[in-house]
Amino acid sequence: DPKIIQKPKYLVAVTGSEKILICEQYLGHNAMYWYRQSAKKPLEFMFSYSYQKLMDNQTASSRFQPQSSKKNHLDLQITALKPDDSATYFCASSQAGQGGQNTLYFGAGTRLSVL
Amino acid sequence: GQGVEQPDNLMSVEGTFARVNCTYSTSGFNGLSWYQQREGHAPVFLSYVVLDGLKDSGHFSTFLSRSNGYSYLLLTELQIKDSASYLCAVRVPNYNVLYFGSGTKLTVEP
Repeated sequence: DPKIIQKPKYLVAVTGSEKILICEQYLGHNAMYWYRQSAKKPLEFMFSYSYQKLMDNQTASSRFQPQSSKKNHLDLQITALKPDDSATYFCASSQAGQGGQNTLYFGAGTRLSVL
Repeated sequence: GQGVEQPDNLMSVEGTFARVNCTYSTSGFNGLSWYQQREGHAPVFLSYVVLDGLKDSGHFSTFLSRSNGYSYLLLTELQIKDSASYLCAVRVPNYNVLYFGSGTKLTVEP
């Protein structure tokens, strides 16, 4: 059984619309992350949360807003979608603290296509 | 910015070995991790190193030289199923961020 659940697996959206990507983890971790992977580009860090608090944000655009309603949830809201937002969005988790952050467990990803 | 570089492709033969290289230039260093990623799937953690030298973990071994900003992942007794992309990631101090290379696609031929 997958321990990090991302929904939906595939998502098609029109330019200008808004979508929410869902992530739940059942590993008992206190740190969660969002990464983005576009074709032929490295995995790109977006956000990190620890104990439901934002720790790092390297996403230039405010159109991307993480939301943590529960300890094991970290959703990603994307507004005013653009074709350049098309990518696979991976949620990940780890133990909080220095050592745990070096081992990330990734969800299967949400593949977003913006038309 | 943070630079983590990997060659795009690597080919090797079943039963032999493959060495996947990674060089990095970052503002500080707090450990380097290797991940395996199959096409259409999520990255899977393989190994973490923070001290210089070779760390032997059987099928996968990792080497680190901090003074040279260099690491490699060594896969021995290759199998066809080892064909995948291998990602190198560096953590810098004071941030909960891993900076990933673009990955090396390893193809193992019969």
